[in-house]
Amino acid sequence: GQQLNQSPQSMFIQEGEDVSMNCTSSSIFNTWLWYKQDPGEGPVLLIALYKAGELTSNGRLTAQFGITRKDSFLNISASIPSDVGIYFCAGPRGAGNMLTFGGGTRLMVKP
Amino acid sequence: DAGITQSPRHKVTETGTPVTLRCHQTENHRYMYWYRQDPGHGLRLIHYSYGVKDTDKGEVSDGYSVSRSKTEDFLLTLESATSSQTSVYFCATLVGAYGYTFGSGTRLTVV
Repeated sequence: GQQLNQSPQSMFIQEGEDVSMNCTSSSIFNTWLWYKQDPGEGPVLLIALYKAGELTSNGRLTAQFGITRKDSFLNISASIPSDVGIYFCAGPRGAGNMLTFGGGTRLMVKP
Repeated sequence: DAGITQSPRHKVTETGTPVTLRCHQTENHRYMYWYRQDPGHGLRLIHYSYGVKDTDKGEVSDGYSVSRSKTEDFLLTLESATSSQTSVYFCATLVGAYGYTFGSGTRLTVV
């Protein structure tokens, strides 16, 4: 079954607002990844986190790898309409470099 | 991503018929994956391949088979399509440790 829980499931915000979403797990992950899926496309990797406590930024995006290695959050500052999409967290499991994905957070931005 | 092509992009098929989805990559990546995306479930792994003729099951493999006779092609077959297999199917290749590159998806409807 699904091991990563994302919240919130959806968000509807005003352009310019900051956004925060998170991902939790009952299991420890040694790597956390955040992907974004634009409508009608496949997910694209945004940020990868490899160390507990790590804080990484990519433009207006900031992600942190939780100290317990069981959670991660993603923040988006000053949202713009092109931030619309579904954001997935993911972590590796098992052999074959397999990733397990969370259920996603759907972000909608009102201009 | 320009290096991964999925075909067809859309397909409607009848219950009980076999269906084959194709994933073609031009980057010579060793690992390839098939995921399905359903609302509330995120992305779930169906099968993956770690080389020519080397494949293994993911978490939702029942009713699906795969083949990889060439590095560049990874085929997903629904042996006898059912309505529960209506979904969006994504192929991915592995770049680096956990950096997946996804195709644009195939939307399959089983009626």
